[in-house]
Amino acid sequence: EIVMTQSPDSLAVSLGERATINCKSSQSVLFRSNNKNYLAWFQQKPGQPPKLLIYWASSRDSGVPDRFRGSGSETDFTLTITSLQAEDVAIYYCQQYYNTPLTFGPGTKVDI
Amino acid sequence: QVQLVQSGAEVKKPGASVKVSCKASGYSFSVYDINWVRQAPGQGLEWMGWMNPNSGNTGYAQKFQGRVTMTRNTSISTVYMELSSLKSEDTAVYYCARGRTIVRGDLIRWLFDYWGQGTLVAVSS
Repeated sequence: EIVMTQSPDSLAVSLGERATINCKSSQSVLFRSNNKNYLAWFQQKPGQPPKLLIYWASSRDSGVPDRFRGSGSETDFTLTITSLQAEDVAIYYCQQYYNTPLTFGPGTKVDI
Repeated sequence: QVQLVQSGAEVKKPGASVKVSCKASGYSFSVYDINWVRQAPGQGLEWMGWMNPNSGNTGYAQKFQGRVTMTRNTSISTVYMELSSLKSEDTAVYYCARGRTIVRGDLIRWLFDYWGQGTLVAVSS
């Protein structure tokens, strides 16, 4: 099983400032045949299901604001919110879809 | 628009079974696999398995093998997840999620692009 870890557990960022969340996988999620990282990021607000933000480590899903940026490769990944807005307060999860069981990180809580 | 609507909250006693439904609309039901993910109170997300609504094929996480069964009724575009031998640790919100098919070599994986609203299953004596 691929174990996903995230840091920090939580962070508080001022409105308009940058938030950076790190995610590490216990083994590489890069498939060299297509050079794609099987890594996604989700946002979950209280009482709501998760929402897909980023896939292939750096591709934004449809309708996701461009202030959300994903980067990284193999085992180390980062989600950056370049200018935090009030509506970005949420828990953020990384998830690998390289192997089953599909696994999620423990989450990072972002507050103002 | 794509919607996944789940059945309502359930309260069960230890040892019982629960069956949660997930009704899909707004897209071709048979084209996308449905996955199930659960979230214990205040905890993270845990993948349980998948079902192909067209073929009826399923795959379960090893943790749930022998306790989980996923079925479907194509006439009403609904997938079901039944979990048996419930324990207090099964108390969680259960989500269905549409899986956008992803290929890795000859393997199939999924990207969860739409989610149901969640169903709380509480297990208590």
